[in-house]
Amino acid sequence: DARVTQTPRHKVTEMGQEVTMRCQPILGHNTVFWYRQTMMQGLELLAYFRNRAPLDDSGMPKDRFSAEMPDATLATLKIQPSEPRDSAVYFCASLKTANSPLHFGNGTRLTVT
Amino acid sequence: GEDVEQSLFLSVREGDSSVINCTYTDSSSTYLYWYKQEPGAGLQLLTYIFSNMDMKQDQRLTVLLNKKDKHLSLRIADTQTGDSAIYFCAENPSRNKLIFGAGTRLAVHP
Repeated sequence: DARVTQTPRHKVTEMGQEVTMRCQPILGHNTVFWYRQTMMQGLELLAYFRNRAPLDDSGMPKDRFSAEMPDATLATLKIQPSEPRDSAVYFCASLKTANSPLHFGNGTRLTVT
Repeated sequence: GEDVEQSLFLSVREGDSSVINCTYTDSSSTYLYWYKQEPGAGLQLLTYIFSNMDMKQDQRLTVLLNKKDKHLSLRIADTQTGDSAIYFCAENPSRNKLIFGAGTRLAVHP
């Protein structure tokens, strides 16, 4: 059963440190999304890529967040420097074609102290 | 604008039916989706309905769509404790983007 794989599952770090989250989309899926989930804000779309090119990153704080797809099998989300308010669960999701279902990874739970 | 609204909590007794409601704003959405999230996991697609349909049934799940009122509902028949989760409604106002509601937490009690 094909899955979206995210690493690490959990990350605890101190304020000011760099955090890198990784995602392996399902093979053949050409659109990749990054979402952030918190109790207060719910599920927020941060950025998404199609065929490795960024389509929309307007949901992402530009000063500290960056998202890239170095190749078709890896998407990364970096936070530098991290802040306590970045504590959340970060989900990666991928889809094969427009209107096809979105498949989610199990998320990276980030805690910034 | 793009907005999806759901009630936050629903509590039902095991064996009863659950109905989770959702309203959305963008009438151009081609599909509307229901996702389920269990603790510690990502969102899992439960079912979806094409915008030109009124109803879709899939085993214990029934989706009703009122396009005029932009209202979507998910009915779970014979609700079980394993159905306890957060249920998200989502619309796709553009072909590559899903907008999610805040999620409805379903609690099933004996």
